[in-house]
Amino acid sequence: EDQVTQSPEALRLQEGESSSLNCSYTVSGLRGLFWYRQDPGKGPEFLFTLYSAGEEKEKERLKATLTKKESFLHITAPKPEDSATYLCAGYNTDKLIFGTGTRLQVFP
Amino acid sequence: KAGVTQTPRYLIKTRGQQVTLSCSPISGHRSVSWYQQTPGQGLQFLFEYFSETQRNKGNFPGRFSGRQFSNSRSEMNVSTLELGDSALYLCASSLGGFETQYFGPGTRLLVL
Repeated sequence: EDQVTQSPEALRLQEGESSSLNCSYTVSGLRGLFWYRQDPGKGPEFLFTLYSAGEEKEKERLKATLTKKESFLHITAPKPEDSATYLCAGYNTDKLIFGTGTRLQVFP
Repeated sequence: KAGVTQTPRYLIKTRGQQVTLSCSPISGHRSVSWYQQTPGQGLQFLFEYFSETQRNKGNFPGRFSGRQFSNSRSEMNVSTLELGDSALYLCASSLGGFETQYFGPGTRLLVL
């Protein structure tokens, strides 16, 4: 069965304390993996698409990486405005499957 | 470029009623997908429309249906509402299929 699992469910970091979020996937015929950020009461905001193992993408304090079984979202020196739920999703030709997300809180 | 818009933003209905939600995609995007988001299940795929045709469908009962118009705007309909249908309904548009999708703000539906 195709599935995407994210860990941890919740993460509390102090400002400046770097960490990583994990996304494990088993999606048959995976064509790509997305990372989204979602703020409360809003729709997900696109961050990255990764297509093949070994690929990395960066945006400000965020870096996403992909292996054949997992993806990581590394957050370097986070700030309080990085607080949000981070979602990953894998897709093939007929479905897009989301993980349940990691709720990140960054406090000053 | 204007983003994805959804109307209405909030709805309150009672069990047994039906509801229609609307989504206007980003200009030039021909694919519209619909998702249901609940605290317990997360984001779940409902269906995807491309050029007025439903191409993919998730595991939801037939009470959930949709359509897409020639201008790519899409509507989703839920008939015979149940309490468990209370959720945030999100639509997303893309140039094609599940390639990078851009989400709207969602419609929050409460079924009493």
